[in-house]
Amino acid sequence: GQSLEQPSEVTAVEGAIVQINCTYQTSGFYGLSWYQQHDGGAPTFLSYNALDGLEETGRFSSFLSRSDSYGYLLLQELQMKDSASYFCAVRDNQAGTALIFGKGTTLSVSS
Amino acid sequence: EAEVAQSPRYKITEKSQAVAFWCDPISGHATLYWYRQILGQGPELLVQFQDESVVDDSQLPKDRFSAERLKGVDSTLKIQPAELGDSAMYLCASSLARSDSYEQYFGPGTRLTVT
Repeated sequence: GQSLEQPSEVTAVEGAIVQINCTYQTSGFYGLSWYQQHDGGAPTFLSYNALDGLEETGRFSSFLSRSDSYGYLLLQELQMKDSASYFCAVRDNQAGTALIFGKGTTLSVSS
Repeated sequence: EAEVAQSPRYKITEKSQAVAFWCDPISGHATLYWYRQILGQGPELLVQFQDESVVDDSQLPKDRFSAERLKGVDSTLKIQPAELGDSAMYLCASSLARSDSYEQYFGPGTRLTVT
């Protein structure tokens, strides 16, 4: 079977750093994407890792270790507007090129 | 900025009725996806199109769901008859090509409530 595991909830305060982990078990693997979804909104693309290592985009960074089937999203200098759900998603080559999403992590940022 | 358009945004229907959702992807995007998202879960793929052709509909309940993208541009997803368990958010997304599927652009979704 195919599965993606990520924590259901994370809480933090403004200005802090938070890491959202994602472990995956899929029959094939092209890469790991991260999406953000605010309540009632559409998922929006944040980052993508196809190779091992860290990708940095402003306050957000994403990491991948293919050998460990593990990745994480790192959010720095947290702001209230970062309160949202964050999904990791895998491209599984045996399922075509569509994405398989995790169940999501709800991040709550307080002041 | 180009966006994926979906309509209606909300739909309430009685079970056993037919319902249809429409999606217009970003201009030039060849690949279109329909997802279903249950509250508290991640999106689950229902069907994927490359231009007008279905690439993957393995998770589409074909006894009641159908999807088409006749001219390779906009798309319609239909449910007939609707069941209570179909209540969910239906999301449409597009990407420039299949090779760009890691970066999909999502529409605002249609929230379906079946009573």
